Amino acid sequence: QSVLTQPPSVSGAPGQRVTISCTGSSSNIGAGYDVHWYQQLPGTAPKLLIYGNGNRPSGVPDRFSGSKSGTSASLAISGLQAEDEADYYCQSYDNSLSGYVFGTGTKVTVL
Amino acid sequence: QVQLVQSGAEVKKPGASVKVSCKVSGYTLTELSMHWVRQAPGKGLEWMGGFDPEDGERIYAQKFQGRVTMTEDTSTDTAYMELSSLRSEDTAVFYCAIGRNGMDVWGQGTTVTVSS
Repeated sequence: QSVLTQPPSVSGAPGQRVTISCTGSSSNIGAGYDVHWYQQLPGTAPKLLIYGNGNRPSGVPDRFSGSKSGTSASLAISGLQAEDEADYYCQSYDNSLSGYVFGTGTKVTVL
Repeated sequence: QVQLVQSGAEVKKPGASVKVSCKVSGYTLTELSMHWVRQAPGKGLEWMGGFDPEDGERIYAQKFQGRVTMTEDTSTDTAYMELSSLRSEDTAVFYCAIGRNGMDVWGQGTTVTVSS
């Protein structure tokens, strides 16, 4: 059971904007630790999508954006495309567990 | 650029141990923060342990402490993850990944099946 909670699923039509929340606590996101986001397409390894709360690695479209506030973080996908259909995970550090943690994961479906 | 190539699939019996390797190319292992992540079938990502760049220590997830050992062979730039006392619930894909601010390079994954 993860300490970072995400909605199991979100969906949207092509072109729409969807957001995925990542709810933590005072021992992880609320303690100031960075949040990173990963995209995992079916049958493949995860890919870093957002690092350091809101930074995009080279090659990641600017349709993807991340933010953090208090004990939560969010990933937004604007201009949703069919290829965005995947599982998405947040990740941070937790000082009560003394280790890194992943969120529960969110499946994005493009209608 | 950095690439991580993992060893092949394994089938183990309950109670046995498995050792997965992760070969680094394009960089020196000592300059990287290596992590191991597990993903059971149909489940989410689970961090097992890795190198904490802030204090230079290797740290393990509490869930796996006592059962997992992560080592590195700097002469071959290869990292290893050994998990002992395997049970059926350990059936999963194991990934190695590197990164100091987010895990930005991942291995292809190694499937470990635990079955009697």
